[in-house]
Amino acid sequence: DAKTTQPTSMDCAEGRAANLPCNHSTISGNEYVYWYRQIHSQGPQYIIHGLKNNETNEMASLIITEDRKSSTLILPHATLRDTAVYYCIVVVTGANSKLTFGKGITLSVRP
Amino acid sequence: SAVISQKPSRDICQRGTSLTIQCQVDSQVTMMFWYRQQPGQSLTLIATANQGSEATYESGFVIDKFPISRPNLTFSTLTVSNMSPEDSSIYLCSVRLRTDNTEAFFGQGTRLTVV
Repeated sequence: DAKTTQPTSMDCAEGRAANLPCNHSTISGNEYVYWYRQIHSQGPQYIIHGLKNNETNEMASLIITEDRKSSTLILPHATLRDTAVYYCIVVVTGANSKLTFGKGITLSVRP
Repeated sequence: SAVISQKPSRDICQRGTSLTIQCQVDSQVTMMFWYRQQPGQSLTLIATANQGSEATYESGFVIDKFPISRPNLTFSTLTVSNMSPEDSSIYLCSVRLRTDNTEAFFGQGTRLTVV
C-alpha cells in the first residue's frame, strides 16, 4: 500500500516558486519524509529530508505540517532544469530501511 | 557524497542470454542496492547487495533470475539471467553511506533492451 499520495503532475513558470504537495496521513512517529527527484534519463537525486521541523538546503525547502500528515517541497525559483519527477517517500531511518518509490509527481517548468 | 559508475550504460541483448551489470563506487559504502525501472514506471527495489554474503531479495525477485555479487565495499554486480523482452528496463545501482540516514546515491542506470 502506498504510504504517500502525490498529484500526478503540475507545472509552474520559470522563476516562480514550485510548491509540490505530498500527503502521508498514516506516517508513524519515527518515519522521516524524504524527497528525491529523477530528471529524464538519469538516476534519482536526493533533495532533502525532515522529521517534523521545516528544513532548508541549497536545493529546496521542506515544510511539514504540525500533525505531520502532509508536507510541501518548495523550489523557490524554478528553472527549466528542475523539470523532473519528484518522489515523496516516508521511511524509518536505520540499517534495514529501504526506499520505496511511488509514482511521484511530474513537474514541468515552462519558459 | 558518492560517485557511482555503472557498466554498461546500455545494451541490446537476445532473449535467452544473460547480462551482468557492474556497479563501482568511488568510496567504501555501507549499503548497496539494485533497482529496476520498467518503461514509464517508478523504481522497484530488486535486492540489497550484502558484502560477503548472499543478497537479500524483495518479494517477486529471486536469486536464480537476478544473481548478485558484492565482493567488497565498493563493487557489486547484478546479472539478469535467461532474459526475455519483459526484462527490458533500466537497472540502477544505489548506495548509502550511513545506516542512520536514508540519503541514497544512484548510478545513471543501465538501459537494457531484450529482443
